[in-house]
Amino acid sequence: AQTVTQSQPEMSVQEAETVTLSCTYDTSENNYYLFWYKQPPSRQMILVIRQEAYKQQNATENRFSVNFQKAAKSFSLKISDSQLGDTAMYFCAFMKHATPDKLIFGTGTRLQVFP
Amino acid sequence: ETGVTQTPRHLVMGMTNKKSLKCEQHLGHNAMYWYKQSAKKPLELMFVYSLEERVENNSVPSRFSPECPNSSHLFLHLHTLQPEDSALYLCASSQSLASSYEQYFGPGTRLTVT
Repeated sequence: AQTVTQSQPEMSVQEAETVTLSCTYDTSENNYYLFWYKQPPSRQMILVIRQEAYKQQNATENRFSVNFQKAAKSFSLKISDSQLGDTAMYFCAFMKHATPDKLIFGTGTRLQVFP
Repeated sequence: ETGVTQTPRHLVMGMTNKKSLKCEQHLGHNAMYWYKQSAKKPLELMFVYSLEERVENNSVPSRFSPECPNSSHLFLHLHTLQPEDSALYLCASSQSLASSYEQYFGPGTRLTVT
């Protein structure tokens, strides 16, 4: 069975600084997707970034980038130039490729951005 | 706001009550999902519907009863709940089951069972 672990329940960062959120996962699959979702205090979960395991290049979306280490089964999220609006719960998630399957979520990291 | 809405946003109910949660998506998607989000626990997938047919039921107690009358609407009927069922219930949709890797979430219903 696949599992996703987020070992940092809470983190904080000052506005304009960079912060990295950690995620590790366990799977015997070779083809899969990894995701970072953001859930602001308003609770609408939003997809931040997606990585296909077969792609070696790390995904980037504006200020958000990932460090995907397939051998280490690590998938960290880096937020550059943090903004107050980045304050949210961040969930790492895993899904097997090809067959429709369920998202496996981690327990989340609460990120607070301070002015 | 995304194209997925949920009502009510907050619900308090007694253990003997019957209530329903509603989800509506305005994205033209064909797959819809119910998740349960409890504090300090990963999101748990409860039900999956594709083209109004249930394709996944993750051993959810029968006191939770889903209904999908059409591809735009999803309900979760609740009856004789337990206090441990208090949680945030999230609805999500995707273009199809095959594209379930990109799900759009609603804002959730905060349920409190007293």
